[in-house]
Amino acid sequence: TQLLEQSPQFLSIQEGENLTVYCNSSSVFSSLQWYRQEPGEGPVLLVTVVTGGEVKKLKRLTFQFGDARKDSSLHITAAQPGDTGLYLCAGARGDGFQKLVFGTGTRLLVSP
Amino acid sequence: DAGITQSPRHKVTETGTPVTLRCHQTENHRYMYWYRQDPGHGLRLIHYSYGVKDTDKGEVSDGYSVSRSKTEDFLLTLESATSSQTSVYFCAITGQGAFEQYFGPGTRLTVT
Repeated sequence: TQLLEQSPQFLSIQEGENLTVYCNSSSVFSSLQWYRQEPGEGPVLLVTVVTGGEVKKLKRLTFQFGDARKDSSLHITAAQPGDTGLYLCAGARGDGFQKLVFGTGTRLLVSP
Repeated sequence: DAGITQSPRHKVTETGTPVTLRCHQTENHRYMYWYRQDPGHGLRLIHYSYGVKDTDKGEVSDGYSVSRSKTEDFLLTLESATSSQTSVYFCAITGQGAFEQYFGPGTRLTVT
């Protein structure tokens, strides 16, 4: 059962545009992570959000955790070709076994 | 970068043959995980370990077994490979009390 739904599944934009990726669930998570994965490599952690309503910024990337800790968003300002990749959200259910549930991913292509 | 290696990086095998994938970490972390990644499904947990000789099943464990005889090594075995096990396999680690996971480079397995 997929507990985390990401949208859109695929996004193709021009350099300089803004975009938002969404990660939604009906379940509450104790924390949520965002990862970026490039072809032929493993996912790399971008950020962890823990508190409902929390906002974190990483250069041009802004991450927000929903107030109810069921959803999250990733906003990229002025996208660059280097932002191209697969973005994955992952939620921790806090059941003591430190297992993550991953979303299906959003594939982003930023063209020059 | 977290010290995680996977071997082999690529493998082609025939249906019915046994296959063992190895994950090695140099971080002395307690928790280790095996995932498979398939288009449309994201990352799905196969098995995980919370210590030497302590392992448990994930959401897609059928047809897979694991062993962990040392902190640094976590082995994933396909006793009799099937074409449905063609996938990219990732190992991950996380530290005690942390939910962030750090991934290895992956193993691309093709079962013909």
